[in-house]
Amino acid sequence: ETGVTQTPRHLVMGMTNKKSLKCEQHLGHNAMYWYKQSAKKPLELMFVYSLEERVENNSVPSRFSPECPNSSHLFLHLHTLQPEDSALYLCASSQDPGAEEQYFGPGTRLTVT
Amino acid sequence: LAKTTQPISMDSYEGQEVNITCSHNNIATNDYITWYQQFPSQGPRFIIQGYKTKVTNEVASLFIPADRKSSTLSLPRVSLSDTAVYYCLVGDRYGGSQGNLIFGKGTKLSVKP
Repeated sequence: ETGVTQTPRHLVMGMTNKKSLKCEQHLGHNAMYWYKQSAKKPLELMFVYSLEERVENNSVPSRFSPECPNSSHLFLHLHTLQPEDSALYLCASSQDPGAEEQYFGPGTRLTVT
Repeated sequence: LAKTTQPISMDSYEGQEVNITCSHNNIATNDYITWYQQFPSQGPRFIIQGYKTKVTNEVASLFIPADRKSSTLSLPRVSLSDTAVYYCLVGDRYGGSQGNLIFGKGTKLSVKP
């Protein structure tokens, strides 16, 4: 257990569905992250939040919409996804943004049909 | 684009010491060197971080030469459970979002009995 939890662990959704991924950290950290890991590709940083403010958005399509209501929770809202969006979505947190030790959650395995 | 270069794969046997070298020729003055371990379908796990010379913890050692253009992760007496992908990253620990980690493809270590 890393102190970062993610739900659901597995999700299958159609291209017209709307779903949300949830991440919660119990570490008192100020920074939270969303990463995407596709098969045979490196982890891609999607979004960074610091003290509930988005500080990084790496050219992610608008069909991915993050939300950070407080420093412990992070959501990734999904709508009208494409099959190529199927991947492992990982949440992480660190004390502050930067190259500090990041604690990763177990990930959500998303399949878009 | 990852700022590091490391071997795609390595093989070892149980009980051996494994050294994985990473090149980071363009490392900046404020950059720290960090290593993560990732098992299939799980989030990466922090192993060790250093700035210069040698760092050791209960899991591994990190050797960094004076010019800091490379680093070596040393895993003593590996076991089958050390089979994983190992990532070398550099980033500004105190640079805020400017120091966000960029993951490369990592080194896939296979430990055989």
